[in-house]
Amino acid sequence: KAGVTQTPRYLIKTRGQQVTLSCSPISGHRSVSWYQQTPGQGLQFLFEYFSETQRNKGNFPGRFSGRQFSNSRSEMNVSTLELGDSALYLCASSLAPGQGARDIQYFGAGTRLSVL
Amino acid sequence: DQQVKQNSPSLSVQEGRISILNCDYTNSMFDYFLWYKKYPAEGPTFLISISSIKDKNEDGRFTVFLNKSAKHLSLHIVPSQPGDSAVYFCAAPPVTGANNLFFGTGTRLTVIP
Repeated sequence: KAGVTQTPRYLIKTRGQQVTLSCSPISGHRSVSWYQQTPGQGLQFLFEYFSETQRNKGNFPGRFSGRQFSNSRSEMNVSTLELGDSALYLCASSLAPGQGARDIQYFGAGTRLSVL
Repeated sequence: DQQVKQNSPSLSVQEGRISILNCDYTNSMFDYFLWYKKYPAEGPTFLISISSIKDKNEDGRFTVFLNKSAKHLSLHIVPSQPGDSAVYFCAAPPVTGANNLFFGTGTRLTVIP
């Protein structure tokens, strides 16, 4: 069974540009979450999508947005890039939202974004 | 505010010895905890979890201990192997049951052959 696939693996952008990252979850998984990893900050939750709807959102500015398609694939968009947006962006999929049941999230290898 | 904390950024252990990675949390309502392992250029991989109704969970060489009164958990790896060298993250989901995990900042384990 294929794991979580994130594309592209690496991206270099300049300040002010926008970027779109893609995530294909494990087959059958319906929930997709996005995290940002920066040195010293660990993984910070961005948002979660389930059934094409954003269920939860972390404490990030509105420049960060996402969406989910009917096949559960998800995209994340960052507009007006800033130097501080340089990070590893990780996508995780799970069978279904928590709702009291304890889901295991499976992560992709991430997209490393460098903003110059 | 960091609700899950890993205060040791790095740990070095000799092969064959025990590795103990520590994690503290501030939210006493957390009732489930996970450990993930991350190799360079790969995403975090789920390792082991523990529910707050237990104080210990074991899976092969990996054991997680939970001390609810101290709001502390630890991951023991016995015996440590060079392939265990990675960054280890502890994490907890919110009590709402939502799917956003609170992660610690990670501990880099180096197992010396």
